[in-house]
Amino acid sequence: KAGVTQTPRYLIKTRGQQVTLSCSPISGHRSVSWYQQTPGQGLQFLFEYFSETQRNKGNFPGRFSGRQFSNSRSEMNVSTLELGDSALYLCASSLGLAGGTQYFGPGTRLTVL
Amino acid sequence: KNEVEQSPQNLTAQEGEFITINCSYSVGISALHWLQQHPGGGIVSLFMLSSGKKKHGRLIATINIQEKHSSLHITASHPRDSAVYICAVMNYGGSQGNLIFGKGTKLSVKP
Repeated sequence: KAGVTQTPRYLIKTRGQQVTLSCSPISGHRSVSWYQQTPGQGLQFLFEYFSETQRNKGNFPGRFSGRQFSNSRSEMNVSTLELGDSALYLCASSLGLAGGTQYFGPGTRLTVL
Repeated sequence: KNEVEQSPQNLTAQEGEFITINCSYSVGISALHWLQQHPGGGIVSLFMLSSGKKKHGRLIATINIQEKHSSLHITASHPRDSAVYICAVMNYGGSQGNLIFGKGTKLSVKP
């Protein structure tokens, strides 16, 4: 089975722009979670989607949003980028909700200038 | 105070040594995960446990729910074990959402 894939792998944007990141889960997995990793804050949970519905959300401003499609692929969007949004964005898929082993993608490295 | 605390932050060991990484948490959890992150960012889930002990090869993970503590042990450590090990607790529905992560333990195993 193919693993979790994320595109693009690297991205450079400037302040004020918006960005969309994509995540394709392992075939058959219905839950996709997104995480942000920075040197200062470490890994932080952004949101989780299951069956096209956001099921859980972390403490991030409304500029961070996401969605999930019927094939379980997920996108996250960050609007009005700030320098502090520079981070590694990871997505992970699992079979179901509320736990279970999560399988992580390689991440998208976003740099905001 | 962080809800998930790991110790030590950094660990250097000689090849063959027995290694222990500790994780303490202060919230109610449904499960605890141990993750491994290699340079470059890729994360691999090592264990998910809600009670007792699990073993996979040279890795052993234990959890004590009453004491809110978990340990990850590596027996006969090898340079390829060098990575950051991250403890994460599943606090489903809590204020921080899903997984709450520790800051990680950076392990370096010297040949």
